[in-house]
Amino acid sequence: DQQVKQNSPSLSVQEGRISILNCDYTNSMFDYFLWYKKYPAEGPTFLISISSIKDKNEDGRFTVFLNKSAKHLSLHIVPSQPGDSAVYFCAGLNNAGNMLTFGGGTRLMVKP
Amino acid sequence: GAGVSQSPSNKVTEKGKDVELRCDPISGHTALYWYRQSLGQGLEFLIYFQGNSAPDKSGLPSDRFSAERTGGSVSTLTIQRTQQEDSAVYLCASSLAGHSYGYTFGSGTRLTVV
Repeated sequence: DQQVKQNSPSLSVQEGRISILNCDYTNSMFDYFLWYKKYPAEGPTFLISISSIKDKNEDGRFTVFLNKSAKHLSLHIVPSQPGDSAVYFCAGLNNAGNMLTFGGGTRLMVKP
Repeated sequence: GAGVSQSPSNKVTEKGKDVELRCDPISGHTALYWYRQSLGQGLEFLIYFQGNSAPDKSGLPSDRFSAERTGGSVSTLTIQRTQQEDSAVYLCASSLAGHSYGYTFGSGTRLTVV
């Protein structure tokens, strides 16, 4: 049972344009949602998060939107840069705050 | 140390052999997690330690997999009688208890079973 799903395995975007990465979840008990970014041969690094009681969180070029009724969240990157090319993982945090459940990841390629 | 350290970074082993993967978490981080990423797949949870005890072992795929943590620090993931489907990148992460924003990952061990 996949509690967190990222249905697009890859996404290609032109530099300067907006990148939108999507994530769906089934577990209504997640307390927070987090996005991680992973470069090849490195571990994932934390990017941005959103509380389950919020619908938007913005940090520079990165904005995460949460639609609880649809159990859907998205990460917007604008403007996209070639250095943003990486695999992005969406994750749900349980309400005990001690366990992250990850989606399958989306590989973003930003073309110069 | 400054980050989570995993060793070896790469391991090639013959099918049927045992392997040990090591994780050195960030000093003071009480929670430690093992995940694995198979080719083209997401991050699969394996096991979670709080101190030296493992409250959640639900992700271990079979009884060939075991893990321990000693002194509230270093953890070892052992895979016995390796199979080709065990080939993956094994990632370790550590965090302060109940604070997943401090979830810091190591660079992983790439295991290839031939």
